Amino acid sequence: QLHLQESGPGLVKPSETLSLTCSVSGESITSADSHWGWVRQPPGQGLEWIGSVAYSGYTYYSPSLKSRITISADASKNQFSLKVRSVTAADTAVYYCAREYSSAPAYWGQGTLVTVSS
Amino acid sequence: QSALTQPASVSGSPGQSITISCTGTGNDIGAYKYVSWYQQYPGRVPKLIIYEVNNRPSGVSNRFSGSKSGNTASLTISGLQAEDEADYYCSSHAKRGTDHLVFGGGTKVTVL
Repeated sequence: QLHLQESGPGLVKPSETLSLTCSVSGESITSADSHWGWVRQPPGQGLEWIGSVAYSGYTYYSPSLKSRITISADASKNQFSLKVRSVTAADTAVYYCAREYSSAPAYWGQGTLVTVSS
Repeated sequence: QSALTQPASVSGSPGQSITISCTGTGNDIGAYKYVSWYQQYPGRVPKLIIYEVNNRPSGVSNRFSGSKSGNTASLTISGLQAEDEADYYCSSHAKRGTDHLVFGGGTKVTVL
């Protein structure tokens, strides 16, 4: 059974880099045609797609966040990661990792709240 | 401001049918079959209920159905039940230079 779990600091200071990791069990992140993505949700607001990494290592990014984010994969650990640079309070959100099928986040992690504050 | 436009709220009585619209452009909904819908209860993880416009994942009630016409997608909930009270989000594959996904702003469904 597929399981995804986010991990990383719950508090990040403004202007610093937010780093999260998603650990995957039940499927290899290099399985054919698989895509692994990140979605966030600020408190009380809607969902925002951040980006994804394909089984090949190719990455797809939200145009609005592209200049500040990096998504990468570590096949040896069956994990993929997110980095958001130069964070502000607007980056405060619950961050979810997900397995995408047909351009749809289908299996989600439980989410982790990241607060940007000094 | 979300890329896809949804009504902020929709309501209906038990047993009724309601429809939630999701309006995009020719660069997203109008161009691809990859339209999805999600249900989210407060404080819970979103759940995929429709993918590729009108397909339901295993275990999702057949009271949920999806459709698309032009740049607008729709989610219909038939036989509305109290448990359907939740937030609903649409998403679509999009391409403006590069491939990416976009979400709607979400619709709060209230069962009267």
